[in-house]
Amino acid sequence: GAGVSQSPRYKVAKRGQDVALRCDPISGHVSLFWYQQALGQGPEFLTYFQNEAQLDKSGLPSDRFFAERPEGSVSTLKIQRTQQEDSAVYLCASGRGLTYEQYFGPGTRLTVT
Amino acid sequence: GENVEQHPSTLSVQEGDSAVIKCTYSDSASNYFPWYKQELGKGPQLIIDIRSNVGEKKDQRIAVTLNKTAKHFSLHITETQPEDSAVYFCAASGEDSSYKLIFGSGTRLLVRP
Repeated sequence: GAGVSQSPRYKVAKRGQDVALRCDPISGHVSLFWYQQALGQGPEFLTYFQNEAQLDKSGLPSDRFFAERPEGSVSTLKIQRTQQEDSAVYLCASGRGLTYEQYFGPGTRLTVT
Repeated sequence: GENVEQHPSTLSVQEGDSAVIKCTYSDSASNYFPWYKQELGKGPQLIIDIRSNVGEKKDQRIAVTLNKTAKHFSLHITETQPEDSAVYFCAASGEDSSYKLIFGSGTRLLVRP
């Protein structure tokens, strides 16, 4: 079946621009997680949702980062006034529930110039 | 919070040999330990996982062992093949960490033909 999809796959933004990254989870998956992966490192947690509720946003690095999942399916990660240190791959994962396996999408590679 | 350490950072083996990657974790409340394989330009792919109520799990050429007392777990790949070449990540999760995955730093595995 269809896996987690993310768009765009690549995004180049000039410093100071706002960006929006989209995640389409596996159909019926309740949990949705966002991770940030810097080059050569493991993914780091940003935030997660159970249905439309954002239960943990402790990993968001600053108030420039905002995530939403208004109808409990598609999620958007927004980064305002992008900075060079925001350059990374942003991964989305979904799962049937909090205690179940997480399945990752291909990621969006963000480059801030 | 949870901290996961992974060794080695790189591993080169001859095709047909076995490969072992080890991880340690710090939070005794963690109870779920997945392993992911990440190929270049792709998202992490779940290859095997283990929960704290079992000590070992096997799936064809891949096995994972868990020692809760020592707080370490390992990935074993037997009869390695060139297509096993990738970066492997261990992770830990539990209710106390809000189910988010805490990843190790990754192991780059190279299987020489």
